[in-house]
Amino acid sequence: QVQLQESGPGLVKPSQTLSLTCTVSGGSITSVRYYWNWIRQPAGKGLQWIGRVYNSGRNTNHNPSLESRVTLSVDTTKNQFFLNVSSVTAADTAVYYCASGFFDASGYFHFDYWGQGTLVTVSS
Amino acid sequence: DIQMTQSPSSLSASVGDRVTLTCRASQSISTYLNWYQQKPGKAPKLLIYGASSLQSGVPSRFSGSGSGTDFTLTITSLQPEDFATYYCQQSYSTPMYTFGQGTKLEIK
Repeated sequence: QVQLQESGPGLVKPSQTLSLTCTVSGGSITSVRYYWNWIRQPAGKGLQWIGRVYNSGRNTNHNPSLESRVTLSVDTTKNQFFLNVSSVTAADTAVYYCASGFFDASGYFHFDYWGQGTLVTVSS
Repeated sequence: DIQMTQSPSSLSASVGDRVTLTCRASQSISTYLNWYQQKPGKAPKLLIYGASSLQSGVPSRFSGSGSGTDFTLTITSLQPEDFATYYCQQSYSTPMYTFGQGTKLEIK
């Protein structure tokens, strides 16, 4: 079974860059049908998809609402993928989840495995 | 963006009840609709994908239906562990995925 684990600083200062790592175990990050995603959830609120990266990292997509602040990448040698969010503000304070996104043979896509989540607070 | 609207926002029910949660999309999404369950302090868990397919390991008291813009998640015979928040999510507009705001299912 695939397992994901987020890691990174829990406190980031305003205007700085938030950097998180997701380590994947029990499966290969180069699996053909899988995209690797970041999703966040402010306290007491709903879920927001941030972006996804595929395989070697040449194919990435992100939520336009985050404009160009998001960078996604992959290290296939370590079975890890990464999230950077630049110029953070208090509005970026949230629990950040990494999740695997699976395209099945019928073309349906869903987030089937999730990390436990990591709280990132933006504050001086 | 495709907006997902869930109703009700919260619902009180008793163990053993049958409950139906609703999710509406702002445009047709065929059956590209997933349901997740989230308990406090935990990550969401996939329950239903493709509007009606039960994820492996999920109890059969959970079922999903619908297509186009209107979808339902039904839980027959509520169990104590089912009290949680439920989210729908569309995967029609790839790769811009959106979630509903959630329905909190509480014990009456």
